[in-house]
Amino acid sequence: TQLLEQSPQFLSIQEGENLTVYCNSSSVFSSLQWYRQEPGEGPVLLVTVVTGGEVKKLKRLTFQFGDARKDSSLHITAAQPGDTGLYLCAGGRGNTGKLIFGQGTTLQVKP
Amino acid sequence: GAGVSQSPSNKVTEKGKDVELRCDPISGHTALYWYRQSLGQGLEFLIYFQGNSAPDKSGLPSDRFSAERTGGSVSTLTIQRTQQEDSAVYLCASSLGGRELNEQFFGPGTRLTVL
Repeated sequence: TQLLEQSPQFLSIQEGENLTVYCNSSSVFSSLQWYRQEPGEGPVLLVTVVTGGEVKKLKRLTFQFGDARKDSSLHITAAQPGDTGLYLCAGGRGNTGKLIFGQGTTLQVKP
Repeated sequence: GAGVSQSPSNKVTEKGKDVELRCDPISGHTALYWYRQSLGQGLEFLIYFQGNSAPDKSGLPSDRFSAERTGGSVSTLTIQRTQQEDSAVYLCASSLGGRELNEQFFGPGTRLTVL
């Protein structure tokens, strides 16, 4: 059972386009994290959101946590080839650091 | 370096053999996690250590998998009698504490191929 569903799984766009990646669940999470992973490396944390409705911005990336804390989105404005990678969402459930990961979204930005 | 290191980076083994994967966490990090990642997919939690004890082993897929941590530092993940379905990248992460808001820092992973 996949507790966190990411969509789309693959995305190939041209430089300068905007995109949104979704992370959905039927379960409530106490926090939601977004990671970016490049080939041959481990994931790197981009952001953590903890409050329902919270919006965080990181340069051209905007992250939102759903009001009910069951879903999240990542929006990239004016994508660049350097944004290429695997984007992963991960949910936390409280007292331990155990994270439940989505299956990932592979983003390719063509110059 | 100061990051999480894992060895070996690649391991090719034959079905039925045992393998050991090593993780060196960031110095001072009390929490250590093992995850498994299939090609281009998300991460599957395996086990969590706080110090030398493992309060959560719920992700270990079978009794062929075991892990230990010694001295509150290095951890070893052992897979006995490997099967082809064990082929994956095994990632280790460490964090200052075992809470969800403690950032987890990942190593580069060990790519395991079982022939």
